Amino acid sequence: GQQLNQSPQSMFIQEGEDVSMNCTSSSIFNTWLWYKQEPGEGPVLLIALYKAGELTSNGRLTAQFGITRKDSFLNISASIPSDVGIYFCAGRRNNDMRFGAGTRLTVKP
Amino acid sequence: GAVVSQHPSWVICKSGTSVKIECRSLDFQATTMFWYRQFPKQSLMLMATSNEGSKATYEQGVEKDKFLINHASLTLSTLTVTSAHPEDSSFYICSARKTSGTDTQYFGPGTRLTVL
Repeated sequence: GQQLNQSPQSMFIQEGEDVSMNCTSSSIFNTWLWYKQEPGEGPVLLIALYKAGELTSNGRLTAQFGITRKDSFLNISASIPSDVGIYFCAGRRNNDMRFGAGTRLTVKP
Repeated sequence: GAVVSQHPSWVICKSGTSVKIECRSLDFQATTMFWYRQFPKQSLMLMATSNEGSKATYEQGVEKDKFLINHASLTLSTLTVTSAHPEDSSFYICSARKTSGTDTQYFGPGTRLTVL
């Protein structure tokens, strides 16, 4: 189905650096979700956002639900090697859920 | 918690055979379950939405007679790939949405299907 616009596609960073990725859409969503997927595994929910403007943290992760309800970002502070994986955003409106193409994160020790 | 399991985690089968994949919500009830497939280095593509006790809703382009979905209880949905062919080889992932509370989807660990 239709996907959200997620960027960047991939990131290669040094351990300790901060990371930022975002998702945009031409449609409004009621919920924004961020998942992390490791090879051979299903996505694991990191953060769920339910209100426009909402800023939520989960440890070193912070995500925001854009005011326009058409975008969201995820920040990872002080990255560590185990942050490696693919991060997907997902936007949900009623029974319709769309995924971004994913951001592949590589962290060099 | 919100744990979703899938069985098997991987399966190899011969072309023309059928394969059944189970998706279970272990510690919550799920009125709705979803089935996705994922090709290497790509995002999740929704195949169908499964509601307990009713027929699944398939996305455009997904053959309902090939991918049979049964959601017989609030904790179990099954996907059967009938007459599998090599092009059906993929990573199949289910997710479940809680009946009550937040409507966040929780994903299973996925099933890797290889059709020879």
